[in-house]
Amino acid sequence: AIQMTQSPSSLSASVGDRVTITCRASQGIRNDLGWYQQKPGKAPKLLIYAASSLQSGVPSRFSGSGSGTDFTLTISSLQPEDFATYYCLQDYNYPLTFGQGTKVEIK
Amino acid sequence: QVQLQESGPGLVKPSQTLSLTCTVSGGSISSGDYYWSWIRQPPGKGLEWIGYIYYSGSTYYNPSLKSRVTISVDTSKNQFSLKLSSVTAADTAVYYCARMVEAPLRFDPWGQGTLVTVSS
Repeated sequence: AIQMTQSPSSLSASVGDRVTITCRASQGIRNDLGWYQQKPGKAPKLLIYAASSLQSGVPSRFSGSGSGTDFTLTISSLQPEDFATYYCLQDYNYPLTFGQGTKVEIK
Repeated sequence: QVQLQESGPGLVKPSQTLSLTCTVSGGSISSGDYYWSWIRQPPGKGLEWIGYIYYSGSTYYNPSLKSRVTISVDTSKNQFSLKLSSVTAADTAVYYCARMVEAPLRFDPWGQGTLVTVSS
């Protein structure tokens, strides 16, 4: 199975900060990657698919980039509602595998 | 808009079979555009994809669970189900059902999740 490694595992940031989360695949996965946001006690929510396509209804401050093995999720200006855990998911092949998550906390 | 809702026992004894159902509302499970998936999350940990089913009954399971997992579909009830046999404490998790679109793949929407605890 393809291993997905996210960094950092957690970060502290302030409202208005630019935040970048990285996801690295153990082998090339083209652009077959999605990003999900999860708030405590809630189901994950799709933010980005195909590495850089913004899901309908998701604010434009979220963006994704990358291809091959290295990917990033960027929040251009962190808002109070963005404090959550973020997961990447590779869909290049089965079994589908998630990164371990990055928790974004309030500084 | 499509909504998914998990249901089933919240407590299962070790060595028994975990059984959950996902009811789909606001859309037909028989739509050929979608697959229907189960994903789980142990308390305080990350997400693990379990498998999917297509309305025709074709399935794909995560090899790590394949020997214990069965996913089935009941199109007449607009439901799909998960069975996980020979459970242990390691199977304690929140179990989510989700609609899966392929090419490009995305999970949307998700059910709210249901906590299943394995304990005697």
